[in-house]
Amino acid sequence: NAGVTQTPKFQVLKTGQSMTLQCAQDMNHEYMSWYRQDPGMGLRLIHYSVGAGITDQGEVPNGYNVSRSTTEDFPLRLLSAAPSQTSVYFCASSYDSSPLTRELFFGEGSRLTVL
Amino acid sequence: EDKVVQSPLSLVVHEGDTVTLNCSYEVTNFRSLLWYKQEKKAPTFLFMLTSSGIEKKSGRLSSILDKKELFSILNITATQTGDSAVYLCAARSWSGGGADGLTFGKGTHLIIQP
Repeated sequence: NAGVTQTPKFQVLKTGQSMTLQCAQDMNHEYMSWYRQDPGMGLRLIHYSVGAGITDQGEVPNGYNVSRSTTEDFPLRLLSAAPSQTSVYFCASSYDSSPLTRELFFGEGSRLTVL
Repeated sequence: EDKVVQSPLSLVVHEGDTVTLNCSYEVTNFRSLLWYKQEKKAPTFLFMLTSSGIEKKSGRLSSILDKKELFSILNITATQTGDSAVYLCAARSWSGGGADGLTFGKGTHLIIQP
């Protein structure tokens, strides 16, 4: 199984440009989420989805949009990139959002630099 | 505000040493605590703890949760250079609305010297 696949792995943008980070999982997971990881900050939740057609904001949603048209895909869009969005982005999924038993499976990360 | 604090933030030991990594948490409606190992890329799952006092073990790694004192430890015995990584602790809470409810600590950067 491929698990959670993120593309691209690396991207350099200029301030004001837009782009989409792609995330796909082949495990039929209902729950998908996006995190950003910055030095000294740990992992912070950007947006999440508990199923197709349902998305919600996490801890740091500003500047990012998401959609969930299928169970498999959960793209993250930056509409107008800012240097503060320079980070490593991780997509993660789990079978469901049950609080008791579910571990998160992570993609390999996308390193984004905004100049 | 939910909070997870890991200590130490970095640690350098020699191969063969035993290390203990600490994780304390303050979350509302706590449900479980998870440990991940992150090398160069994605975090990989190590343990999930839901009950106090029950040790989980996998090879040289073990972990235990104390729900009264709100902390967990991750032990690694007979360390090897391949154990060098950032170890992440995350506390899962239940908000009831389908939210992620997963708060990560900043991680402990462990370096094993040969």
